[in-house]
Amino acid sequence: DTEVTQTPKHLVMGMTNKKSLKCEQHMGHRAMYWYKQKAKKPPELMFVYSYEKLSINESVPSRFSPECPNSSLLNLHLHALQPEDSALYLCASSPMGVREKLFFGSGTQLSVL
Amino acid sequence: GEDVEQSLFLSVREGDSSVINCTYTDSSSTYLYWYKQEPGAGLQLLTYIFSNMDMKQDQRLTVLLNKKDKHLSLRIADTQTGDSAIYFCADPLTPYSGAGSYQLTFGKGTKLSVIP
Repeated sequence: DTEVTQTPKHLVMGMTNKKSLKCEQHMGHRAMYWYKQKAKKPPELMFVYSYEKLSINESVPSRFSPECPNSSLLNLHLHALQPEDSALYLCASSPMGVREKLFFGSGTQLSVL
Repeated sequence: GEDVEQSLFLSVREGDSSVINCTYTDSSSTYLYWYKQEPGAGLQLLTYIFSNMDMKQDQRLTVLLNKKDKHLSLRIADTQTGDSAIYFCADPLTPYSGAGSYQLTFGKGTKLSVIP
């Protein structure tokens, strides 16, 4: 299994809603990532988890709350988002170590109304 | 300035070769990567090259690395309409101390359009 699975594929939410994005991998990777990608732009790093611990938070607003319940799962909890948060949210994983390859999921296309 | 730079657009005819270019600034990179992103999809790792190599060939794909000029290129032979996508060059930054993971820096992406 060489896949990173993200659900849902599409999500529409209002600014007062609470929702969660889910990511799962069964490759034994111990580093997992959330990226945000706006249209026609490269992905931007949001969070990195190493061995289920948050190791990098790229100054992301607190309305985005990541969670790594175990080594296979990564969640991104969303609350009180703004329309400018509409984007493609990509999950990725990699084996631990320097310069290893990232495997990306197909993303969740989020629209905030 | 940007750590990784790419031209934004490339248009080729079906059956021709495509060459996508990238320049980077981090000279300590051990690997350099090419990712492909089709519309509405995530990023697919297309190929990568070790920094001690000058060239890597994988079926229709050829990666050339010029370390002196910090220039990376991806050549797609016999380009097909299914190759239409955005291609990102990516360079790993030095990993954060103690984290064991690392951050990819992506170029802005080159949109390849294949004309039938």
